[in-house]
Formats: sequence, structure tokens, C-alpha cells
Amino acid sequence: AQSVTQPDIHITVSEGASLELRCNYSYGATPYLFWYVQSPGQGLQLLLKYFSGDTLVQGIKGFEAEFKRSQSSFNLRKPSVHWSDAAEYFCAVGGAGKSTFGDGTTLTVKP
Amino acid sequence: DVKVTQSSRYLVKRTGEKVFLECVQDMDHENMFWYRQDPGLGLRLIYFSYDVKMKEKGDIPEGYSVSREKKERFSLILESASTNQTSMYLCASSFGLVGNQPQHFGDGTRLSIL
Repeated sequence: AQSVTQPDIHITVSEGASLELRCNYSYGATPYLFWYVQSPGQGLQLLLKYFSGDTLVQGIKGFEAEFKRSQSSFNLRKPSVHWSDAAEYFCAVGGAGKSTFGDGTTLTVKP
Repeated sequence: DVKVTQSSRYLVKRTGEKVFLECVQDMDHENMFWYRQDPGLGLRLIYFSYDVKMKEKGDIPEGYSVSREKKERFSLILESASTNQTSMYLCASSFGLVGNQPQHFGDGTRLSIL
């Protein structure tokens, strides 16, 4: 069975500071991994995806994520957070005809 | 750009009513999904469809049904609405094998059952 854990329910960072959101997954084979962002009152938007190849993937809005097979992790990073990044972030794992989403991490950005 | 359109942003219905939530996608995607989103519970899959007239139960199908008569349209039906079905409902679509491609989401329908 596949599963996703986002250990941090809520994270607060100052504007301009770096950000790392954690994601751990459980999946028997090489997973398909995704990060989505949800702004208030809207649906989810894809930030980036990992299928295979280079373990460091670049996404939209200046985000990147690194796939670490040995740690079963796919953490999302951004070097300098902007106030507009305040949102909820979801990690997801896919494969074998199924997608599983984490419970999300809410990001608050302090001025 | 993929567009997934949900017919209503906000909907208020009464207990016992039959409620229809409609979703349309414009990218010829094979797969369509219905989720509900509640605070602290993340996204929970209600039903999904991988082809016209095909449907599969998700994690929480009780009290819901779906219809997919055309490839672009996927309807969620609350047979007899109850207050515990008050929630945000999200529709999504994807192509290819389920799970191997990203999903494209609509903006959601916030449904209140009184």
C-alpha cells in the first residue's frame, strides 16, 4: 500500500527566509511524486513532479524538490519565501493505478 | 492549459435533497476524480472514473454516486444530502494511467447542507 506523511501541519517563516517542507512516502517500487499548492478558496495547482532521472527537480514559482530514495523523502524547498507563497502545500505519491495525497502543510509568511 | 470547471463555487441545499455537482474538463483526459476536503483530514477520494461509464469507489463512497456519460463530464450525486456532507468538493482530471500523471483541479464547490 502507498502512503504519504507530511509531518508538519503548520509552518511559519519570515519573508525572505528559506523554506523546506517535508514529505515522506511509502511505496514498493519507484514512485511518481508530486507537490501541489492550494491558495485559499482555490483548487490545487501542480508545483513540480518527479518520475525518474535527476533527483533534483525544478518547479514553478522558484520551488524545487529533491528525491531521496534511501530516506523515502521528497522535500520541497525554496531559497527565499515571498508573502504570496502563503498557502497549503500537498505532497502526493502515485503508481499502480492510484494516487495518494498527504494531509497538507499550511505555510504562513511573516512580514 | 487544462481547464477543469466546476459548475458552482458555492451551493446551499437542505437535508434530504438530491444534490448534483457537475465537473467538466476540456483536455480529453481519460481519468476524472471527485474528492472532498475537510480541515485536518486532507483530500479524501470519493470516486474516480478511468473511462466513459466506468467508475471506481474511492476511500469514502458511502452516500455518494457518480455518473460519466461523456468523456468530458463527471457528475457527483448526493442521493439524500445530510449535514455531515457539508464540505469542499474538488474535481480533478488526468491522462494516462491513474497515479502516473499529475491531476488538474477545479476551483472547488463549497457545499453547505442545512
